Amino acid sequence: TQLLEQSPQFLSIQEGENLTVYCNSSSVFSSLQWYRQEPGEGPVLLVTVVTGGEVKKLKRLTFQFGDARKDSSLHITAAQPGDTGLYLCAGRGGGSNYKLTFGKGTLLTVNP
Amino acid sequence: SAVISQKPSRDICQRGTSLTIQCQVDSQVTMMFWYRQQPGQSLTLIATANQGSEATYESGFVIDKFPISRPNLTFSTLTVSNMSPEDSSIYLCSVEVGTGGRKLFFGSGTQLSVL
Repeated sequence: TQLLEQSPQFLSIQEGENLTVYCNSSSVFSSLQWYRQEPGEGPVLLVTVVTGGEVKKLKRLTFQFGDARKDSSLHITAAQPGDTGLYLCAGRGGGSNYKLTFGKGTLLTVNP
Repeated sequence: SAVISQKPSRDICQRGTSLTIQCQVDSQVTMMFWYRQQPGQSLTLIATANQGSEATYESGFVIDKFPISRPNLTFSTLTVSNMSPEDSSIYLCSVEVGTGGRKLFFGSGTQLSVL
């Protein structure tokens, strides 16, 4: 069974601060995705990383896939209240194991 | 992309009753997925619904408890049967679009509380 551990579980910061959340596993994933979920809504896909060591940027969000494709990080620069939400990572196994495995999420609160 | 309408958005139900959740997609899709999201837990796949065949259930989930219908390529329902408080959760339907870098789109979820 592939497991994804996300840390921290909760994070409360002030507007303008930087933060990093982590997604770790002992398993190798063919790709990894990050989602953001707001209350009363379903998760929304932010990014997919596929190549070990890959870095993708989405405005103030920077996503990195570990070289061994077992871990990933999400860094937010100058956080804003609109970044508040539950951040979920999800890994896809290779070959016949195509299903997504989700982490438990990091609940981020950005206070104005 | 895909736009998914899911209803009801929330419900409060009595123990022993059943609730059917509906999911409508704005385009034809081969597979639709049903997830459960319990507080503090990972999104867990309940089953994959294919049109014209029985749903495929994940370990720990059975058809008698979570019957699924998939009458056409844009619609599916999930029923939570004989509910108990342990079934209180958010239930989400989703579809996958694209090949290679496949993207998962979710409905807005159904918040179920069982008393």
